[in-house]
Amino acid sequence: DIQMTQSPSSLSASAGDRVTITCRASQSISAYLNWYQQHPGKPPLLLVYTASRLQSGVPSRFSGSGSGTEFTLTISSLQPEDFAIYYCQQSYTTPLTFGGGTKVEIK
Amino acid sequence: QVQLVQSGNEMKKPGASVKVSCKTSGYTFTNYGFSWVRQAPGQGLEWMGWITAYSGNTKYAHNLQDRVTMTTDTSTSTAYMELRSLTSDDTAVYYCARGTYYGSGSYSLDYWGQGTLVTVSS
Repeated sequence: DIQMTQSPSSLSASAGDRVTITCRASQSISAYLNWYQQHPGKPPLLLVYTASRLQSGVPSRFSGSGSGTEFTLTISSLQPEDFAIYYCQQSYTTPLTFGGGTKVEIK
Repeated sequence: QVQLVQSGNEMKKPGASVKVSCKTSGYTFTNYGFSWVRQAPGQGLEWMGWITAYSGNTKYAHNLQDRVTMTTDTSTSTAYMELRSLTSDDTAVYYCARGTYYGSGSYSLDYWGQGTLVTVSS
């Protein structure tokens, strides 16, 4: 199975900050990497697919990049509604696997 | 608009089975597939498997393939996930999610149900 490792596991930031989350795959997954946001008690929400393509309706302050084994999700200017947990997920092969999550908290 | 509405929370005893439904609307059911994903309390996301709505082809996670069955009913645009021989380790929120292919293997879960809490306790 492909292991997905996210860093950091949590971070504290203020509104307006630029935030970057990293996801590493245990083997190359080309660009088959998605990012999701999850608020407490809610289902995940797709933010970015195929590493860098923004899902319809997602604010442009979110962006994704990377290929191979290293990927990043960047929030250019953190908004209050962005405090949540973020997960990466590979779709290169089954079983689909998720990273352990990055919790973005208010500083 | 696309909607996935899951059945209600369940309380089960160890050894029992549970069947969760996911009724869809707002799109052509047979043009997509589904993944089922579960999340234990305070934990991350675990993919359980997927099913193509049109053909009913399935692929299950290794650790669940002996206990899980995923099906679809095209007449009601509903997907189902049944999990048998439940233990306390199966206590989790279970999500259905629509799978979208973008070509060349790129696949994402673009719409999710609200989640169904399954609690396994004696």
